[in-house]
Amino acid sequence: QQQVKQSPQSLIVQKGGISIINCAYENTAFDYFPWYQQFPGKGPALLIAIRPDVSEKKEGRFTISFNKSAKQFSLHIMDSQPGDSATYFCAASMTGRRALTFGSGTRLQVQP
Amino acid sequence: GAVVSQHPSRVICKSGTSVKIECRSLDFQATTMFWYRQFPKQSLMLMATSNEGSKATYEQGVEKDKFLINHASLTLSTLTVTSAHPEDSSFYICSARRADTEAFFGQGTRLTVV
Repeated sequence: QQQVKQSPQSLIVQKGGISIINCAYENTAFDYFPWYQQFPGKGPALLIAIRPDVSEKKEGRFTISFNKSAKQFSLHIMDSQPGDSATYFCAASMTGRRALTFGSGTRLQVQP
Repeated sequence: GAVVSQHPSRVICKSGTSVKIECRSLDFQATTMFWYRQFPKQSLMLMATSNEGSKATYEQGVEKDKFLINHASLTLSTLTVTSAHPEDSSFYICSARRADTEAFFGQGTRLTVV
């Protein structure tokens, strides 16, 4: 059973536009929700993360919106740039030294 | 951010041989590390959780005798793919969590078994 559902599978955005990626989770015990960026042939890099006690977190051009009641969270990339073209993964985990459960990934392409 | 170093980045081995992949946390102690496997254009699949000083915990369907994990120190975990076969060819990635929150990933190892 997939515990974190991610959409869309792929996304094409024009330079300067807003990229929005959505995730939904099922396990209400999850209390840590990070987003990762992965370039081909590289390991995932942590972008930004949020906990359920806040509804939004912003770091530079990246914003996480979190809706606890709907069990959904999303990543917004403002002023998208061609260098943002990569695969983005949402993830979730429980407190403690637990592994992350990953979404299926979104391939973002930002066109110049 | 914290650094997790994985080595080698690429390895090609002959079918039937064994390959060892190292994962090091360079600036923090990691009592727990994780090993993932990623197929092309797919998500990361957890293979096992590596615990310092104790046996690893394997996910369902992962052969523990094929994928040997050793976590001998607080900064080093190793994954050994034993008697490798072409179907073991994949991208293997390790991860370590700092202070039970942020999880950092190694650069990944591309294993090709010929």
